[in-house]
Amino acid sequence: GESVGLHLPTLSVQEGDNSIINCAYSNSASDYFIWYKQESGKGPQFIIDIRSNMDKRQGQRVTVLLNKTVKHLSLQIAATQPGDSAVYFCAENLVGYSTLTFGKGTMLLVSP
Amino acid sequence: EPEVTQTPSHQVTQMGQEVILRCVPISNHLYFYWYRQILGQKVEFLVSFYNNEISEKSEIFDDQFSVERPDGSNFTLKIRSTKLEDSAMYFCASRRGSTGELFFGEGSRLTVL
Repeated sequence: GESVGLHLPTLSVQEGDNSIINCAYSNSASDYFIWYKQESGKGPQFIIDIRSNMDKRQGQRVTVLLNKTVKHLSLQIAATQPGDSAVYFCAENLVGYSTLTFGKGTMLLVSP
Repeated sequence: EPEVTQTPSHQVTQMGQEVILRCVPISNHLYFYWYRQILGQKVEFLVSFYNNEISEKSEIFDDQFSVERPDGSNFTLKIRSTKLEDSAMYFCASRRGSTGELFFGEGSRLTVL
């Protein structure tokens, strides 16, 4: 079946580096995507979203890129900080459905 | 800032017992969800609820599960006869529209012995 998945289960970076977390999705009918951050023992926290009519969206220190041709989503975090250490999930919403489907998650480890 | 609240934060139960997990979604939201997360795994969709009825559900959401919105504020998930494999973190979420930011609660950890 179609699903959302991530390329890298763990990403280790140094404080101050830029981080890129990738996500592949297989459902071409998805039209809305969200990146979530989940710290240990907590619920997912919204980071940034993007609709399928856009290629790029920027927030504070974060940028999401959407490549519909290859069904790829990425989250870029600038000047990564130790507080960014968490598991990051991409999630997709299919057209006509209200359900958000999550990918497997990438652990980001930031060393001081 | 408005938030989704869940109770209890942790519940331990014996296999075969009934469990009710409670959620208070954000007040002006119209779409309500339950997700679960087994330790170390991804967040899995269980059920969505809109206009006082289930709108979508996953294969996980079998006859042992039910949801209710008994009044204008609470949204509950009931597991009739818990199994060991029901042990997980259960997250309630809500949002105003069918897309847009989905706000999650802090979760209820269910441990089935």
